[in-house]
Amino acid sequence: AQSVTQPDIHITVSEGASLELRCNYSYGATPYLFWYVQSPGQGLQLLLKYFSGDTLVQGIKGFEAEFKRSQSSFNLRKPSVHWSDAAEYFCAVDPLITNNNDMRFGAGTRLTVKP
Amino acid sequence: EPEVTQTPSHQVTQMGQEVILRCVPISNHLYFYWYRQILGQKVEFLVSFYNNEISEKSEIFDDQFSVERPDGSNFTLKIRSTKLEDSAMYFCASSAQGRNEQFFGPGTRLTVL
Repeated sequence: AQSVTQPDIHITVSEGASLELRCNYSYGATPYLFWYVQSPGQGLQLLLKYFSGDTLVQGIKGFEAEFKRSQSSFNLRKPSVHWSDAAEYFCAVDPLITNNNDMRFGAGTRLTVKP
Repeated sequence: EPEVTQTPSHQVTQMGQEVILRCVPISNHLYFYWYRQILGQKVEFLVSFYNNEISEKSEIFDDQFSVERPDGSNFTLKIRSTKLEDSAMYFCASSAQGRNEQFFGPGTRLTVL
C-alpha cells in the first residue's frame, strides 16, 4: 500500500546532541517531499522540501534532509539540537498522482530534548 | 509575514449539530485545503479547492462535509450533522500554486459531545 512511514513515534535526545528522524515512503514515482514541525498549540510549519536536484536540502532552524532514492527515504537531521526543537515532526509527501498537492502525512515523531 | 488564520480555535458542539470552521488563507494564494488530525493520529487530507470548486477530495470527505469560499477572503468547512468521530483538529492550508509549499493555519480543535 502507498504510505509514508515514520518508524519512531517518540525520540529523546540531549541538548547539543545530533538528531536524525526517519521517513520512508512507498510510492511508485519520486514524490515531492516535505518536513513540517508542529509545536504545541501551533500549526504546521515547513522546515524544508525536496522537489528535484541536489539530494541534500537545507531548511530553516539548522535542519537538513537527505533524499535517498534507493532507500525511498527522506531523513531529517540536525547536528546539534536545542531545547526549543522539542516538538512533533511530520514527514509529508505529494505523490504526484492527482492534479493538486493533496499531501500524505506520516504519523509523526515526537521529539523530547533533555537538558 | 502573511499567515493563515483560523477561527475559532476551539469549537464544542453536540452530536448532530452543524458546525462551520472558518479560515482566512494568505491573500494572494489560489489553492486551499482542509486537513484533519484525530488525536494521536496522523494528519489526513480532506479536500482541496481551486477556482471556486473542489479539485480533489478524500474518502473521508463525504456528503456531510462541504467547503465554500463565500467571499474573497474566507474559506469555510461545514459539517452538516456532526458525529462523535468528527472530533479532531482541523487544519486549513493555502498555497500560491498547485504543487508548492502549503502554509498551514494553527488549527481548530473540534469536540463533538
